[in-house]
Amino acid sequence: DVKVTQSSRYLVKRTGEKVFLECVQDMDHENMFWYRQDPGLGLRLIYFSYDVKMKEKGDIPEGYSVSREKKERFSLILESASTNQTSMYLCASRGAIYATNEKLFFGSGTQLSVL
Amino acid sequence: QQQVKQSPQSLIVQKGGISIINCAYENTAFDYFPWYQQFPGKGPALLIAIRPDVSEKKEGRFTISFNKSAKQFSLHIMDSQPGDSATYFCAASSSGGYQKVTFGTGTKLQVIP
Repeated sequence: DVKVTQSSRYLVKRTGEKVFLECVQDMDHENMFWYRQDPGLGLRLIYFSYDVKMKEKGDIPEGYSVSREKKERFSLILESASTNQTSMYLCASRGAIYATNEKLFFGSGTQLSVL
Repeated sequence: QQQVKQSPQSLIVQKGGISIINCAYENTAFDYFPWYQQFPGKGPALLIAIRPDVSEKKEGRFTISFNKSAKQFSLHIMDSQPGDSATYFCAASSSGGYQKVTFGTGTKLQVIP
């Protein structure tokens, strides 16, 4: 089965720090996604990438950027962390855009606390 | 703007009972409706999905009912078990464009013995 690995399970950072969240998938998937999960708000899409070096804004991109230099790796960057970015961050991957199976494969998440 | 509305936020069901979670959507371009199940400490995983050309899909104890005219769909868990205790998310996407998936707000289900 597909494995999506997020580099850290828990992360504690200070306000103003630059934060990198890393995600790696092992199934040669074209599409990769970053969501944040907050109680009562569900999963909200931050950014996604449909190919190497390609990215698209999701619904809440403000305060975030992403990098996809290699197909298997998708990084989420918080340029200057703020307390309102304390959240669970979930990475996901999916096959080609025109694949009939639209299943998302999620990592286990990174719980980020910004103090 | 919440494009997929999910209710209830939490649900407690006795073992053996039926759990029902409801979702409503606004975008008529949506044509794929998955449900994801998330256990504590894990990422969501696809449970079951439906397309609007059918009104119902059943996989074991899990059934999706779909009402295209009302723009509503629901998940029914028959004979609910304590192992079904998890958070459930409905979602929707369209086959056009980048097929962005929009999630509901989630329902925390607790099945008590």
